[in-house]
Amino acid sequence: GAVVSQHPSRVICKSGTSVKIECRSLDFQATTMFWYRQFPKQSLMLMATSNEGSKATYEQGVEKDKFLINHASLTLSTLTVTSAHPEDSSFYICSARGGGGGTSYNEQFFGPGTRLTVL
Amino acid sequence: GQQLNQSPQSMFIQEGEDVSMNCTSSSIFNTWLWYKQEPGEGPVLLIALYKAGELTSNGRLTAQFGITRKDSFLNISASIPSDVGIYFCAGNTGNQFYFGTGTSLTVIP
Repeated sequence: GAVVSQHPSRVICKSGTSVKIECRSLDFQATTMFWYRQFPKQSLMLMATSNEGSKATYEQGVEKDKFLINHASLTLSTLTVTSAHPEDSSFYICSARGGGGGTSYNEQFFGPGTRLTVL
Repeated sequence: GQQLNQSPQSMFIQEGEDVSMNCTSSSIFNTWLWYKQEPGEGPVLLIALYKAGELTSNGRLTAQFGITRKDSFLNISASIPSDVGIYFCAGNTGNQFYFGTGTSLTVIP
């Protein structure tokens, strides 16, 4: 139980294009999902908290118009990197907060991550 | 956001040795979580702790929730090469999660 998937696992795009990353909780419903960015050999940097049916809450310094988050259902959240530039290249990881399907509200379950490379 | 103090930052050990790492915070947490992340993958939850003083095992892994609720440790006994990775602690206040800076573990066969 408590499986979170992410798609795609890798994406390479040209500068100026937009990229959408999907995060799904496969066997439980997640009222809250989180989006993180991780640089090599560093910890997880929280970008935003996404609640189903409402606007995402962005961390300080994260541009909400650049990183569009949609949480349309209890099992799906999407992150769209708009007008991507090389400095957006990174490892993006989503997670889902438990609370359904035998999971605890006090736990987070992570997806496998998406490696974005912007040329 | 806030990050927890996690130590050591990195460890190089011989296969078969025991490993210990810990996390401390200035804040009180309701839950402590320990994750392992392998290269190119997302973190995987290893152990979740819910009560002060709680000691929980998962195979060769043992973790404890500090009595003050401001710290936690993770021990790995008889390390093996597949234990290699970055271990993160996380604390939950009920509303928010905070992550440690990670401990990079290298096991030398």
